[in-house]
Amino acid sequence: EVQLVQSGAEVKKPGESLRISCGVSGYSFTNYWITWVRQVPGKGLEWVGNIDPSDSYAKYSPSFQGHVTMSADKSTSNVYLRWSSLRASDTATYYCARRRMTTELSWFDRWGQGTLVTVSS
Amino acid sequence: SYVLTQPPSVSVAPGKTAKITCGGNNIGSQSVHWYQQKPGQAPVLVIYYDSDRPSGIPERMSGSNSGNTATLTISRVEAGDEADYYCQLWDNRSDHPVFGGGTKLTVL
Repeated sequence: EVQLVQSGAEVKKPGESLRISCGVSGYSFTNYWITWVRQVPGKGLEWVGNIDPSDSYAKYSPSFQGHVTMSADKSTSNVYLRWSSLRASDTATYYCARRRMTTELSWFDRWGQGTLVTVSS
Repeated sequence: SYVLTQPPSVSVAPGKTAKITCGGNNIGSQSVHWYQQKPGQAPVLVIYYDSDRPSGIPERMSGSNSGNTATLTISRVEAGDEADYYCQLWDNRSDHPVFGGGTKLTVL
Protein backbone atom coordinates (compact mmCIF):
# COMPACT_ATOMS: atom_id res chain seq x y z
CA GLU A 1 0.00 0.00 0.00
CA VAL A 2 1.31 3.43 -0.98
CA GLN A 3 1.74 5.64 2.08
CA LEU A 4 3.16 9.08 2.75
CA VAL A 5 3.59 9.67 6.47
CA GLN A 6 4.56 13.10 7.72
CA SER A 7 6.20 14.20 10.95
CA GLY A 8 4.14 15.64 13.78
CA ALA A 9 2.92 19.14 14.54
CA GLU A 10 5.50 21.77 15.48
CA VAL A 11 5.34 24.97 17.53
CA LYS A 12 8.23 27.35 16.97
CA LYS A 13 9.24 30.95 17.58
CA PRO A 14 10.03 33.47 14.82
CA GLY A 15 13.63 33.15 13.71
CA GLU A 16 13.97 29.50 14.70
CA SER A 17 14.83 26.75 12.25
CA LEU A 18 12.70 23.72 11.44
CA ARG A 19 12.77 20.60 9.30
CA ILE A 20 9.66 18.51 8.66
CA SER A 21 9.66 15.13 6.98
CA CYS A 22 7.60 12.99 4.62
CA GLY A 23 8.37 9.27 4.67
CA VAL A 24 7.18 7.15 1.77
CA SER A 25 6.51 3.43 1.49
CA GLY A 26 4.75 0.99 -0.82
CA TYR A 27 6.55 2.06 -4.02
CA SER A 28 10.02 2.81 -5.33
CA PHE A 29 11.10 6.08 -3.71
CA THR A 30 13.08 7.31 -6.71
CA ASN A 31 10.34 6.71 -9.29
CA TYR A 32 8.09 9.65 -8.40
CA TRP A 33 8.65 13.31 -7.64
CA ILE A 34 7.31 14.66 -4.35
CA THR A 35 5.50 17.99 -4.14
CA TRP A 36 5.01 20.17 -1.06
CA VAL A 37 1.78 22.16 -0.73
CA ARG A 38 0.95 24.81 1.88
CA GLN A 39 -2.47 25.50 3.31
CA VAL A 40 -2.89 28.52 5.56
CA PRO A 41 -5.75 28.01 8.06
CA GLY A 42 -9.07 28.58 6.32
CA LYS A 43 -7.44 29.13 2.93
CA GLY A 44 -6.70 27.17 -0.25
CA LEU A 45 -3.82 25.08 -1.55
CA GLU A 46 -0.52 26.71 -2.58
CA TRP A 47 2.34 24.98 -4.37
CA VAL A 48 5.65 25.25 -2.50
CA GLY A 49 7.88 23.17 -4.76
CA ASN A 50 8.77 19.77 -6.24
CA ILE A 51 11.73 17.50 -5.69
CA ASP A 52 12.99 14.54 -7.69
CA PRO A 53 14.17 12.01 -5.08
CA SER A 54 16.42 10.24 -7.62
CA ASP A 55 18.87 13.16 -7.79
CA SER A 56 17.44 15.73 -5.33
CA TYR A 57 16.80 18.23 -8.13
CA ALA A 58 14.32 20.74 -6.72
CA LYS A 59 12.13 23.41 -8.25
CA TYR A 60 10.56 26.08 -6.04
CA SER A 61 7.62 28.40 -6.36
CA PRO A 62 8.90 31.99 -6.68
CA SER A 63 6.87 32.75 -3.54
CA PHE A 64 8.98 30.32 -1.49
CA GLN A 65 12.34 30.41 -3.31
CA GLY A 66 15.13 31.28 -0.91
CA HIS A 67 12.98 30.81 2.18
CA VAL A 68 12.63 27.01 2.21
CA THR A 69 14.86 24.13 1.16
CA MET A 70 13.73 20.70 0.02
CA SER A 71 15.92 17.60 0.25
CA ALA A 72 15.63 13.84 -0.15
CA ASP A 73 17.36 10.89 1.52
CA LYS A 74 17.33 7.73 -0.58
CA SER A 75 18.67 5.61 2.27
CA THR A 76 15.58 6.29 4.41
CA SER A 77 12.99 7.14 1.71
CA ASN A 78 12.32 10.49 3.30
CA VAL A 79 11.78 13.91 1.80
CA TYR A 80 12.32 17.03 3.91
CA LEU A 81 11.20 20.65 3.94
CA ARG A 82 13.43 22.99 5.90
CA TRP A 83 13.32 26.59 7.10
CA SER A 84 16.42 28.33 8.51
CA SER A 85 14.48 31.29 9.91
CA LEU A 86 10.75 30.94 10.47
CA ARG A 87 8.25 33.80 10.25
CA ALA A 88 4.81 34.09 11.77
CA SER A 89 3.43 34.01 8.21
CA ASP A 90 4.76 30.44 7.82
CA THR A 91 2.00 29.23 10.13
CA ALA A 92 0.12 26.67 8.04
CA THR A 93 -0.39 22.99 7.36
CA TYR A 94 2.15 21.56 4.93
CA TYR A 95 1.30 18.53 2.82
CA CYS A 96 3.58 16.30 0.80
CA ALA A 97 2.07 14.58 -2.22
CA ARG A 98 3.23 12.09 -4.81
CA ARG A 99 3.37 13.58 -8.28
CA ARG A 100 2.16 11.54 -11.23
CA MET A 101 3.53 12.75 -14.55
CA THR A 102 3.09 12.37 -18.27
CA THR A 103 4.89 14.44 -20.88
CA GLU A 104 2.83 17.55 -20.22
CA LEU A 105 0.59 16.73 -17.29
CA SER A 106 0.99 16.29 -13.56
CA TRP A 107 -1.39 15.50 -10.77
CA PHE A 108 -1.10 14.30 -7.19
CA ASP A 109 -2.46 10.85 -6.46
CA ARG A 110 -1.37 10.27 -2.86
CA TRP A 111 -1.05 12.79 -0.05
CA GLY A 112 0.51 12.79 3.38
CA GLN A 113 -1.68 13.56 6.38
CA GLY A 114 -0.20 17.05 6.76
CA THR A 115 2.09 18.73 9.29
CA LEU A 116 0.78 21.75 11.16
CA VAL A 117 3.50 24.34 11.73
CA THR A 118 2.70 27.12 14.19
CA VAL A 119 5.09 30.06 14.48
CA SER A 120 4.36 32.39 17.36
CA SER A 121 6.32 34.44 19.83
CA SER B 1 0.48 32.85 -14.48
CA TYR B 2 -2.60 30.82 -15.32
CA VAL B 3 -5.63 31.50 -13.08
CA LEU B 4 -8.37 29.02 -12.17
CA THR B 5 -11.63 30.45 -10.84
CA GLN B 6 -14.06 28.48 -8.68
CA PRO B 7 -17.26 29.63 -6.95
CA PRO B 8 -16.64 29.92 -3.19
CA SER B 9 -19.66 27.82 -2.32
CA VAL B 10 -22.27 25.48 -3.77
CA SER B 11 -25.29 24.14 -1.90
CA VAL B 12 -27.36 21.10 -2.81
CA ALA B 13 -30.06 18.97 -1.23
CA PRO B 14 -29.38 15.28 -0.52
CA GLY B 15 -30.10 13.07 -3.51
CA LYS B 16 -29.74 15.92 -5.99
CA THR B 17 -26.89 16.70 -8.38
CA ALA B 18 -24.11 19.16 -7.56
CA LYS B 19 -22.03 20.86 -10.25
CA ILE B 20 -18.80 22.59 -9.26
CA THR B 21 -17.16 24.67 -11.95
CA CYS B 22 -13.57 25.66 -12.61
CA GLY B 23 -13.04 28.48 -15.08
CA GLY B 24 -9.91 29.33 -17.03
CA ASN B 25 -8.84 30.70 -20.38
CA ASN B 26 -9.34 27.88 -22.92
CA ILE B 27 -9.18 25.36 -20.08
CA GLY B 28 -10.73 22.78 -22.38
CA SER B 29 -7.39 22.45 -24.16
CA GLN B 30 -5.76 21.22 -20.94
CA SER B 31 -6.33 18.39 -18.50
CA VAL B 32 -7.94 19.20 -15.16
CA HIS B 33 -7.77 17.24 -11.93
CA TRP B 34 -10.04 17.47 -8.89
CA TYR B 35 -9.43 16.97 -5.16
CA GLN B 36 -11.83 16.56 -2.27
CA GLN B 37 -10.80 17.84 1.16
CA LYS B 38 -12.94 17.12 4.19
CA PRO B 39 -12.47 19.19 7.36
CA GLY B 40 -9.23 18.36 9.16
CA GLN B 41 -8.12 15.90 6.46
CA ALA B 42 -5.66 15.86 3.59
CA PRO B 43 -6.89 16.34 0.02
CA VAL B 44 -7.91 13.22 -1.91
CA LEU B 45 -7.74 12.89 -5.69
CA VAL B 46 -11.25 12.23 -7.03
CA ILE B 47 -10.90 12.96 -10.77
CA TYR B 48 -7.84 13.11 -13.04
CA TYR B 49 -7.42 13.66 -16.79
CA ASP B 50 -10.72 15.61 -16.80
CA SER B 51 -12.94 12.59 -16.21
CA ASP B 52 -11.02 9.53 -14.96
CA ARG B 53 -11.73 8.20 -11.50
CA PRO B 54 -9.05 6.65 -9.26
CA SER B 55 -9.93 3.29 -7.81
CA GLY B 56 -12.25 3.61 -4.84
CA ILE B 57 -13.93 6.82 -6.02
CA PRO B 58 -17.67 6.27 -6.58
CA GLU B 59 -19.18 6.49 -10.06
CA ARG B 60 -21.41 9.27 -8.71
CA MET B 61 -18.41 11.56 -9.23
CA SER B 62 -17.67 12.56 -12.80
CA GLY B 63 -15.84 15.31 -14.63
CA SER B 64 -16.01 17.16 -17.92
CA ASN B 65 -13.98 19.90 -19.57
CA SER B 66 -14.76 22.09 -22.56
CA GLY B 67 -14.22 25.64 -23.69
CA ASN B 68 -13.46 27.85 -20.71
CA THR B 69 -15.02 25.65 -18.01
CA ALA B 70 -14.24 22.33 -16.35
CA THR B 71 -16.98 20.80 -14.22
CA LEU B 72 -17.05 18.29 -11.39
CA THR B 73 -20.47 16.65 -11.15
CA ILE B 74 -21.61 14.75 -8.08
CA SER B 75 -24.83 12.78 -8.59
CA ARG B 76 -27.14 11.59 -5.81
CA VAL B 77 -25.34 13.78 -3.30
CA GLU B 78 -24.87 12.38 0.20
CA ALA B 79 -24.07 14.09 3.48
CA GLY B 80 -20.59 12.56 3.30
CA ASP B 81 -19.85 14.54 0.14
CA GLU B 82 -19.76 17.78 2.12
CA ALA B 83 -16.21 19.06 1.66
CA ASP B 84 -14.02 21.58 -0.11
CA TYR B 85 -13.25 20.75 -3.73
CA TYR B 86 -10.20 22.04 -5.64
CA CYS B 87 -9.44 21.93 -9.34
CA GLN B 88 -5.84 21.78 -10.56
CA LEU B 89 -3.89 21.78 -13.80
CA TRP B 90 -0.24 21.90 -14.78
CA ASP B 91 0.92 25.20 -16.28
CA ASN B 92 3.52 24.05 -18.79
CA ARG B 93 4.79 27.56 -19.47
CA SER B 94 5.85 28.09 -15.87
CA ASP B 95 6.27 24.35 -15.15
CA HIS B 96 4.26 24.32 -11.96
CA PRO B 97 0.80 23.32 -10.76
CA VAL B 98 -2.05 25.78 -10.48
CA PHE B 99 -4.89 25.26 -8.01
CA GLY B 100 -8.31 26.84 -8.06
CA GLY B 101 -9.36 28.72 -4.95
CA GLY B 102 -11.65 25.91 -3.82
CA THR B 103 -15.41 25.45 -3.53
CA LYS B 104 -17.17 24.53 -0.32
CA LEU B 105 -19.96 22.05 -1.03
CA THR B 106 -22.75 22.22 1.54
CA VAL B 107 -25.36 19.47 1.70
CA LEU B 108 -28.58 21.03 2.93
